[in-house]
Amino acid sequence: EIVLTQSPATLSLSPGERATLSCRASQSVSTYLAWYQQKPGQAPRLLIYDDTNRATGIPARFSGSGSGTDFTLTISSLEAEDFAVYYCQQRSNWPTFGQGTKLEIK
Amino acid sequence: QVQLQESGPGLVKPSETLSLTCTVSGASIISNYWSWIRQPPGKGLEWIGDIYFRGTTDYNPSLKSRLTISLDTPKNQFSLKLSSVSAADTAVYYCARSLYYSVASPWDNWGQGTLVTVSS
Repeated sequence: EIVLTQSPATLSLSPGERATLSCRASQSVSTYLAWYQQKPGQAPRLLIYDDTNRATGIPARFSGSGSGTDFTLTISSLEAEDFAVYYCQQRSNWPTFGQGTKLEIK
Repeated sequence: QVQLQESGPGLVKPSETLSLTCTVSGASIISNYWSWIRQPPGKGLEWIGDIYFRGTTDYNPSLKSRLTISLDTPKNQFSLKLSSVSAADTAVYYCARSLYYSVASPWDNWGQGTLVTVSS
């Protein structure tokens, strides 16, 4: 099993600030890393797939980077609707998720 | 527009079998990978398993011995059966569609989720 470790567990920022979320894998996941956003009572929403590709309809302020075992989701300028929980997910072998980063309003 | 809708009992007794169905509209069930994912209350996400093509399946190794996922092509549905459930199986269960036709694909369409509680 590939374990994904996300940091920080909670990130407190203000609208307009830049958010940097980290995901580290216990072994290389090639390019099969995705990021999801989840709001309370809703299903996850795909943001980024294959490390760097934005899903349909995702604003350009969301970007993904990294390779191998270290990945980053960056939100360039936070808007009110971005405060949520974010999960990374790999499919290099059978799928696993990170434990999540909660992005909260400071 | 692709839509997925989970259905099934919201309460299952311990040791019994949890059964859910996902009804797909706006896409053919034979043209993608389809998955079940669950989320215990207040916790993270766990992949349960996939089904694709003519009913080929991949299962989470930790659930494999209790799990069956199947396709109903005429009804454009796929189903989940998880046997011998316990309180640890209490979760919101989501069905989801793969973004592209590959075992490595992420999921771009999700159902709204259905809460299943295991309790006597």
